[in-house]
Amino acid sequence: DAGVIQSPRHEVTEMGQEVTLRCKPISGHNSLFWYRQTMMRGLELLIYFNNNVPIDDSGMPEDRFSAKMPNASFSTLKIQPSEPRDSAVYFCASSPGVSSGNTIYFGEGSWLTVV
Amino acid sequence: AQSVTQPDIHITVSEGASLELRCNYSYGATPYLFWYVQSPGQGLQLLLKYFSGDTLVQGIKGFEAEFKRSQSSFNLRKPSVHWSDAAEYFCAVGGGGSYIPTFGRGTSLIVHP
Repeated sequence: DAGVIQSPRHEVTEMGQEVTLRCKPISGHNSLFWYRQTMMRGLELLIYFNNNVPIDDSGMPEDRFSAKMPNASFSTLKIQPSEPRDSAVYFCASSPGVSSGNTIYFGEGSWLTVV
Repeated sequence: AQSVTQPDIHITVSEGASLELRCNYSYGATPYLFWYVQSPGQGLQLLLKYFSGDTLVQGIKGFEAEFKRSQSSFNLRKPSVHWSDAAEYFCAVGGGGSYIPTFGRGTSLIVHP
């Protein structure tokens, strides 16, 4: 089975530009997560969805960040405008939910560099 | 609220030596426990998980972990480390239901030839 698919894998953009990261969760999973990983702060949960509905977005750093899940097979994380401090690896992950003990399966990540 | 502590930021071992990575958790009920591995440039891969039953859990890549309720620990072990095991290892604790797993800060494993 295909795992969590993220795109782009790498992105370099200039400060002030809009960045859109995309994610396709594992088919049949009903929970989707966006994480950010940096050396300084480690792995941070930004937001998670259950059945396409945002449940907890308390980790979203500020209004420049937004996430959507229009259907069960697609989600986006958008940063507008981007800043150099947003440079990080962004992981999308999905879970079958309660039946699996909320086991989380990660994508390969999107490496974002804002210059 | 649940929490997890990985006391060691870095661990260095020689190839062929045994390995134990420590994980301590805080959770009010029976925890759901996970270990993940992250190789350089990769995402986090699930190594093993514990929900209930036998407290010694076998995972992929020759790893195992033991749940010790009295010590609130879930340490990861491998009898003989290979150079390819060099990576970041994350422990996570959840509670089932609506409790999604909380991750530790990770332990970086360095393997000397």
